[in-house]
Amino acid sequence: KAGVTQTPRYLIKTRGQQVTLSCSPISGHRSVSWYQQTPGQGLQFLFEYFSETQRNKGNFPGRFSGRQFSNSRSEMNVSTLELGDSALYLCASSFSMSYTEAFFGQGTRLTVV
Amino acid sequence: GENVEQHPSTLSVQEGDSAVIKCTYSDSASNYFPWYKQELGKRPQLIIDIRSNVGEKKDQRIAVTLNKTAKHFSLHITETQPEDSAVYFCAATGAQKLVFGQGTRLTINP
Repeated sequence: KAGVTQTPRYLIKTRGQQVTLSCSPISGHRSVSWYQQTPGQGLQFLFEYFSETQRNKGNFPGRFSGRQFSNSRSEMNVSTLELGDSALYLCASSFSMSYTEAFFGQGTRLTVV
Repeated sequence: GENVEQHPSTLSVQEGDSAVIKCTYSDSASNYFPWYKQELGKRPQLIIDIRSNVGEKKDQRIAVTLNKTAKHFSLHITETQPEDSAVYFCAATGAQKLVFGQGTRLTINP
């Protein structure tokens, strides 16, 4: 079956702009989590959605938001971009994030200039 | 909330030797502990996981052990090969999320 798909793969934005990233989970998976990966900072949890509800949120400013649609696809939005937002953004899908395997997408590499 | 500490941050071993990476977690309610391998420029891939009702799990050259009392778990790779070179992340569940360790960069020297 198809894996987790993230679009776009690469993105270059200017400071102050906003950006929307998309994640399509594995068919049947209802949980989608988002992570920010930067060199030296590992995988930082952004938020987790399950059946269109945000169940958990990491320690990121309100400029980072997300949503999940009825087909489990998820989007992440970052407004008023800062240089420090440059990172690889990964989403992971799972039946249930707390006890079953999570599979990652290829990620979206965001560069803010 | 859950906190996961991973050591060492870098590890260099000779090909054929064993490698061990250790993690500790803070939330005693955590019940699922996966390990991911991330090669350069690629996504993290699940290589092995263990649940809280099991103390050890093996898959060919890879094994994971869990000590719930001490709240630590370890990844063991035996007979290391060049393709084992990557960054390895441990994780633990906590309140509907996976919390990751900081990662270990494993280098296999020929």
